Amino acid sequence: DVKVTQSSRYLVKRTGEKVFLECVQDMDHENMFWYRQDPGLGLRLIYFSYDVKMKEKGDIPEGYSVSREKKERFSLILESASTNQTSMYLCASSLLFDGYTFGSGTRLTVV
Amino acid sequence: SQQGEEDPQALSIQEGENATMNCSYKTSINNLQWYRQNSGRGLVHLILIRSNEREKHSGRLRVTLDTSKKSSSLLITASRAADTASYFCATGPGGGSNYKLTFGKGTLLTVNP
Repeated sequence: DVKVTQSSRYLVKRTGEKVFLECVQDMDHENMFWYRQDPGLGLRLIYFSYDVKMKEKGDIPEGYSVSREKKERFSLILESASTNQTSMYLCASSLLFDGYTFGSGTRLTVV
Repeated sequence: SQQGEEDPQALSIQEGENATMNCSYKTSINNLQWYRQNSGRGLVHLILIRSNEREKHSGRLRVTLDTSKKSSSLLITASRAADTASYFCATGPGGGSNYKLTFGKGTLLTVNP
C-alpha cells in the first residue's frame, strides 16, 4: 500500500527552537506539499516541491523553510518556533494532475 | 485565490439517509477532488472529476460537476456511522505546469446510528 509517513504524530517544542518536520513517501511521486490546518481556516499551503531541490512558496511561507535533497523526502523547518505556529501539519505527495496522498499529520504545540 | 467553499458547514443525518454536500469555486479548473478526514487524521482522497466530465461514481459516492456554475456536489448514498468525518473539496488549477490543490474549509458530516 502506498504511503506518506510523517515522523511524529505529536510534538511539543519551546518558543525559539528550530523544529524539523520530516515527511517520506514511497511512491516515487514528483510533487510534495506541506499544509497547515487550523480550526476555521481550513488547509493552507506552506510550501511545495515539484522536483528534487526545487521548491516554491505557497500561501503562508513566512517563518518556514523546506528542504528536498532526495525525491522521497520533504522536510519542513520552523527556523524559530513561535506560539502562532501551533497547528496540525499535513504532508502530501502526488503525481502530476492526480489525487494527493496525505500523511497522518503532526500536531505541533509550541509553548 | 480559487479556493473551493463547501456548503453546508455541518450536516447531521440518520444512518441510511443520503448526504449531499456542495462546493463552489471561483476560477477555471483542471479538475476537482473530494477528500475525507476523520478526526485528527490526515485526508483521504475519495474521487477526482476532470473539467470535461459531468458526473462520476465510486461505490456509494456520486460526484457532479457543473463548470458553467463553478460548482460540484458530493452525494453519499445509504450513509453509515463510519461515514462521520469532514469532507473537503479541492480544486486543481487550469493551465500551468505546476500543480497544487486549493482546499475549502470542509463540511462536517455526522451520521447518527
